[in-house]
Amino acid sequence: KAGVTQTPRYLIKTRGQQVTLSCSPISGHRSVSWYQQTPGQGLQFLFEYFSETQRNKGNFPGRFSGRQFSNSRSEMNVSTLELGDSALYLCASSSEGGPYEQYFGPGTRLTVT
Amino acid sequence: EDQVTQSPEALRLQEGESSSLNCSYTVSGLRGLFWYRQDPGKGPEFLFTLYSAGEEKEKERLKATLTKKESFLHITAPKPEDSATYLCAVQVISSNDYKLSFGAGTTVTVRA
Repeated sequence: KAGVTQTPRYLIKTRGQQVTLSCSPISGHRSVSWYQQTPGQGLQFLFEYFSETQRNKGNFPGRFSGRQFSNSRSEMNVSTLELGDSALYLCASSSEGGPYEQYFGPGTRLTVT
Repeated sequence: EDQVTQSPEALRLQEGESSSLNCSYTVSGLRGLFWYRQDPGKGPEFLFTLYSAGEEKEKERLKATLTKKESFLHITAPKPEDSATYLCAVQVISSNDYKLSFGAGTTVTVRA
């Protein structure tokens, strides 16, 4: 089975711009979660989508949004980028009904200048 | 609030020198505790899931154990390729909430 894929792998954006990141989960997985990883804050949960519905949301501002499509692929959008948004954005997928392990993609490295 | 604390922050080992990493947690109700390995610039790689106190899981030189308040990841006779950051995460029992809450990680360096 192919793993979780994320595109693009690297992005450089300017403050004030917006960005869209994409994630394709493992085949058959219906849950997709997004995490932000920074050296100072570690891994922090952004949101989770299941069957095209946002099921959970972390403590991030409304500039961070996402969606999931009928094929379970997910996108994450960040509007009005700030320097502090520079991070590794990780997507993880899991199957319905447990055992709840989440499998991560390689991440998208976003640099905001 | 759920808390996950890992110690030590960093661990430098000689090849073959066994050691243990600690993950202590304070949660309202544990659904599962997860161990991941992360190499620089890559996403976390799933290692183990532990569900109840007393449970143990092994994979090659790694063994994970769980008590009611903490988990240990034992590395037996490590090799340089075991160098990585090891992350612990918990998932709490809550309707429709499956997010992982991560510790800060332990960075392990194994010297040949």
